[in-house]
Amino acid sequence: GAVVSQHPSWVICKSGTSVKIECRSLDFQATTMFWYRQFPKQSLMLMATSNEGSKATYEQGVEKDKFLINHASLTLSTLTVTSAHPEDSSFYICSASRGTSGFSYEQYFGPGTRLTVT
Amino acid sequence: SQQGEEDPQALSIQEGENATMNCSYKTSINNLQWYRQNSGRGLVHLILIRSNEREKHSGRLRVTLDTSKKSSSLLITASRAADTASYFCATDFYNAGNNRKLIWGLGTSLAVNP
Repeated sequence: GAVVSQHPSWVICKSGTSVKIECRSLDFQATTMFWYRQFPKQSLMLMATSNEGSKATYEQGVEKDKFLINHASLTLSTLTVTSAHPEDSSFYICSASRGTSGFSYEQYFGPGTRLTVT
Repeated sequence: SQQGEEDPQALSIQEGENATMNCSYKTSINNLQWYRQNSGRGLVHLILIRSNEREKHSGRLRVTLDTSKKSSSLLITASRAADTASYFCATDFYNAGNNRKLIWGLGTSLAVNP
C-alpha cells in the first residue's frame, strides 16, 4: 500500500509554455501533499505544502504565481509550471502523507518528473 | 538553517563490507527518517526513528539517534552492489509557524563495488 504516482515521468517543453505535473495517491487518501525540486546531485528542496481543499503554503523564495499548486481532492495534487524557462529545468518530486498531525507519520514519494525546458 | 548535514558526501566500499553514514541536524525534531534514491529516480523510505528512540533495526539496516548530539547514523551491513545509491536523512519538525515539514540533508553517495 501507499503508492504515489506522478505523470508525466518526463517532459520537454519550449520556453514560455506551461507544464502541468500530476501527483496521485493510488491506494490511500492524502490529506497533505508536498512538492519538491531536486537539482542534479543535490538534495531535495521543499517548494510547497498543500492540504486538500486549501491554498498551498509556499516556502520562502518560491514564486506562487509561477508554480501553481492545486490539491482539489484527497488523491490528486497538481503542480503547474507557468511560462517555463530553461532555469526551471529540474527533477520535480511529490510526496503524500495520510495526516497532518500525530507523533510520527510518513511521506510516500512519487517517482519524480524530469522537466527540460528548451 | 535546519538543513541536515551528512557525511561522508561520498563513500566507496567493497561488496560485503559495512557502510556507515552520519547525519547531523540543528533543532529539536519529532523524528528522523532515512531514504534511498537510485540515480534519477524517486525516493524510497528506509526507516523512521522517533525522537524518543535510540536505535532501530530493519533487515541489514541499523539506525541510531543521539538527540543530545543532534546526530543519527545509518549502518548497512554486508553491503551488496545493489545498495549503490544516494542516501538522505530527513528531519521531521514543526517550524515557527507550526507547520510540519521534512528538511533534507545533502545526502551520501554510496558506491558498492562487486
